[in-house]
This record gives sequence, C-alpha cells and structure tokens, in this order.
Amino acid sequence: DVKVTQSSRYLVKRTGEKVFLECVQDMDHENMFWYRQDPGLGLRLIYFSYDVKMKEKGDIPEGYSVSREKKERFSLILESASTNQTSMYLCASRRTGGGEQYFGPGTRLTVT
Amino acid sequence: GENVEQHPSTLSVQEGDSAVIKCTYSDSASNYFPWYKQELGKRPQLIIDIRSNVGEKKDQRIAVTLNKTAKHFSLHITETQPEDSAVYFCAASKGASGTYKYIFGTGTRLKVLA
Repeated sequence: DVKVTQSSRYLVKRTGEKVFLECVQDMDHENMFWYRQDPGLGLRLIYFSYDVKMKEKGDIPEGYSVSREKKERFSLILESASTNQTSMYLCASRRTGGGEQYFGPGTRLTVT
Repeated sequence: GENVEQHPSTLSVQEGDSAVIKCTYSDSASNYFPWYKQELGKRPQLIIDIRSNVGEKKDQRIAVTLNKTAKHFSLHITETQPEDSAVYFCAASKGASGTYKYIFGTGTRLKVLA
C-alpha cells in the first residue's frame, strides 16, 4: 500500500518567514510533485522532480523552491512567505513507469 | 499554454440519476487522461483513466469517453449514490509515465441528493 505523508496537516506562519513543507513516500517512486489547491482553481503544479536532485518548474513556481536530496523525500520551500501563499499544499508521487499519482493528505498553510 | 477546461463547476443530481462531467484540453499531443475523486477532507484518488488509443472505458458505474478530434473527454457516473458526492478532477498529460506532468481541470463538485 502506497503511503505518502506530509510533515504537517496545518501550519500557520507569519509574512516573511521561511517555510519548509516536507513530503515522504515509501514506495520507491522516482517522480514526485508539489501542487497547491485553491477553490475554483483546481490543482496547480508548483514543481516536480523525476529523480533525485532533479527538478522541473511547474505552472506556478514563483515564490517557491524545492529540494530532492533523497529519493523518498521532496521538500517545498517558501523563501519568504506571503499572504497570497495561503493555500492547501498537496504532494504526490508516481513511479516512472506510469500508473496512479498518489497524493499525500495535504498541508493547509495559513500566512498571516 | 496547456490548458484543461472542466464543466460544470458544481452539479447536483438525485440519487439514482446519472451525472456527466466534461473536460476539454488544448494540447493535441495529450494522450493520457486520468480522473481523480476527492472526498471532503481527503486526498485525491484515481478512479479511472483512458489513453488516446481507446474511445471509451468502463468500470462498473463509471465510464470515460474520449473524442480526440474535438479534444474533449467526459466522465459518466450512472446510478449515482450518496457516496459519489465529492469533487472530481480531470487531467491531461502527454504520457502516463516518464517525466510527463498532468494538467488538471478546475474540478467539479458533485452532490448526490438522497
């Protein structure tokens, strides 16, 4: 059974803080993704990684960076949090050979 | 750029009726189309997918149809039940594997009324 976990379910940060969101998967998947989910906007891809130390910008990378030092872990970094980054953040993983993209439970981030 | 439009944004049906959600994609190179269901407070999960070499795929009460010429695909749920109430997302991708990313639609909130 695939398990994708995220470091926090709820997070409250102040404007200007550096924020780390972590995602860990236990199925040896090569591909990992970070999305943000906002009402009416669906799931928008921030960054993805198709292998260790590899990263690709998604559709809305501005204000974010990522790190993938180990295969099982994919971190999303908000260098200087802003109120417009208040959102639900979802991590996902998938094996390179294809198949379902498995999502984590999400982190609801509030920036005040 | 690549885009997936999804309609309607909300849909209410009586229990036992059918529900149809439609998506249109812009990139003609797209060849893989998954559908995800997200129940309230839970993570999205894959319910069905279709590849471009197939026009229709069915799994019990759920079916997906694809019209490559018109670049649109649809999710059909028959004999709806209260547990079908959720947000449904369509997506399009240039591949089901490798480094291909998904472009998701904006979601449809389906309410099945008992």
